[in-house]
Order: sequence, then structure tokens, then C-alpha cells
Amino acid sequence: EPEVTQTPSHQVTQMGQEVILRCVPISNHLYFYWYRQILGQKVEFLVSFYNNEISEKSEIFDDQFSVERPDGSNFTLKIRSTKLEDSAMYFCASIWTVGNTIYFGEGSWLTVV
Amino acid sequence: GIQVEQSPPDLILQEGANSTLRCNFSDSVNNLQWFHQNPWGQLINLFYIPSGTKQNGRLSATTVATERYSLLYISSSQTTDSGVYFCAVGPPLTSGTYKYIFGTGTRLKVLA
Repeated sequence: EPEVTQTPSHQVTQMGQEVILRCVPISNHLYFYWYRQILGQKVEFLVSFYNNEISEKSEIFDDQFSVERPDGSNFTLKIRSTKLEDSAMYFCASIWTVGNTIYFGEGSWLTVV
Repeated sequence: GIQVEQSPPDLILQEGANSTLRCNFSDSVNNLQWFHQNPWGQLINLFYIPSGTKQNGRLSATTVATERYSLLYISSSQTTDSGVYFCAVGPPLTSGTYKYIFGTGTRLKVLA
């Protein structure tokens, strides 16, 4: 089965530091996503990305967050100045087109101390 | 936006028991998937089921899109079935949005 891969699997960072989470979506997919799950809560949409630009973002996705597809294969989520409440599991996902199966990576645990 | 509710929120079973998990959604959708989140936090894709019925081993799922619900059946449950089950719905093609919305989840614990 095709795979979305994410790195790192776990990162601990100091409050105020910048963090970059990396994802390699499935190669022929066109739509990319980041989701967040705070421990014990549901999975929340952060941002979708299509045709090299953000297509939609949630109210969580404020100016501290940014996404990039720097080289045609990687898809990154940057948090500029981390806060304690950014501690969560971050999932990357991709689909070929809207309505198709959405594939999720294994997630990146971010712990802000 | 679409609201997705799951029931029950929590479920405790003895090993070998059967169960039915429900996912209700508030608007028409173009996609529905069921996921199992294992103890390590990984989302395991169980079914892509925008309509109809599918079976995979001890698991099966049914989506009745016209009535806006989906059911996940687990038969002869095992301790390895423990975890959280999520449904996620994808938007209609005419909606202008691409985001998939997750349900509230059902936390299942199977006792040996």
C-alpha cells in the first residue's frame, strides 16, 4: 500500500523555538494536508495545500504556522515560535483528488516544554 | 460546516463480544473513511466507504449516504482491537472545500 512518511516521529522543543515537521506525500497525489490532535482529543484540520498554495486553513492555523513544498516531494509545516499549547500529534495526509481515499502518515509527536 | 458525531463515546467489551459503532454526519459527503487509532497514535485506514457495505475479516462497514450515517461492526473482538475509532468525511465536490472532517471518536477497550 502507498505510504505517507513523516519525520521526526517525536520532537521535544523549548517554548519559543522554531520547529519544522517534514512529510513526503504519496508521489502522484495532488492535495496535501496537515492535521493536529491534542492528546485525548479529536483530529483537527489545520491546512490544505493544492497547486503550490494554501487552498484552505482553519482558525488554528494562525501567523505562527506556515507550510511549504520546497522541492516537489517534501511538504513541511513550520511553527515559528512554539507555545506549550502546540504540544500535539501532527499528521500529514495526501489524496490524489477530492473524494478519493485520504492517506495519513504515522504522525509527529511534538512536545513543547 | 459538516458536523460529524460518533456514538458511543466509550465502549468496554469482553473479548469475543460483538459491537456496532455509529457515525452520523450532518450533510451530504463525497467520501467516508473509518480509522483505527492504535496505542502508538497511528491512524490505520480500515475502510473507504462512501456508500454500501464492505467487509474485511472480522470488521465490516455500512454507509447509508441518503440517511447520513455509517456503521462499523466489529465481531469476535480481540484485545488488539482496543483503541479509538474515528470516521472522517470528505466534502461534496460542489462544496468548494477540500478538508476532511473527523468525528468525535469512539474509545474501545476490549478486556481479556
